[in-house]
Amino acid sequence: AQTVTQSQPEMSVQEAETVTLSCTYDTSESDYYLFWYKQPPSRQMILVIRQEAYKQQNATENRFSVNFQKAAKSFSLKISDSQLGDAAMYFCAYRSARYGGATNKLIFGTGTLLAVQP
Amino acid sequence: DSGVTQTPKHLITATGQRVTLRCSPRSGDLSVYWYQQSLDQGLQFLIQYYNGEERAKGNILERFSAQQFPDLHSELNLSSLELGDSALYFCASSVGLAGVTGELFFGEGSRLTVL
Repeated sequence: AQTVTQSQPEMSVQEAETVTLSCTYDTSESDYYLFWYKQPPSRQMILVIRQEAYKQQNATENRFSVNFQKAAKSFSLKISDSQLGDAAMYFCAYRSARYGGATNKLIFGTGTLLAVQP
Repeated sequence: DSGVTQTPKHLITATGQRVTLRCSPRSGDLSVYWYQQSLDQGLQFLIQYYNGEERAKGNILERFSAQQFPDLHSELNLSSLELGDSALYFCASSVGLAGVTGELFFGEGSRLTVL
């Protein structure tokens, strides 16, 4: 079964600085998606960035970028120029891309709570 | 706005009671997923439906049941409620079983408090 591990329960960063959140996963599949979701105090789940496993190029969305290491099964999130609004819980998630599979639910890590200091 | 609608947003009830949470997926989405998030916890997968049929089950208690109707909306029924069932219940939808982007779109959640 696939698993997602986030080893940093809490992180803190100064405003305008850069922070990296770690995520590792375990799977025997070769085709899958990886995601980072943000959950602010409102508790809404907001997609931050996605990565398709077949793509070697790391995904980037404005100040958010990932370091995807497929062989190492590592998927870290880098937030540049951190802003107060980035303070939230961040979840790493895995989803199989196998069509018709019963395992294509999103599997979440336990989350990293990011604090942004002014 | 993700396009996924969940009602009610908040619900307070007593132990032993039964509640129904409703989810309307995005227009055109055939897959619906239910997740439970207890206080300060991650999201636990409960159950998935695709086009009216159950596709996958997670750690869903026997006191809980769900269904997806012909119009694709879904309901999660929670019965014989216990204090530990207090949580945020999310519904998510996707266009198919995997979809082009693989993304799930989440509703705002239904916060259940059992007193």
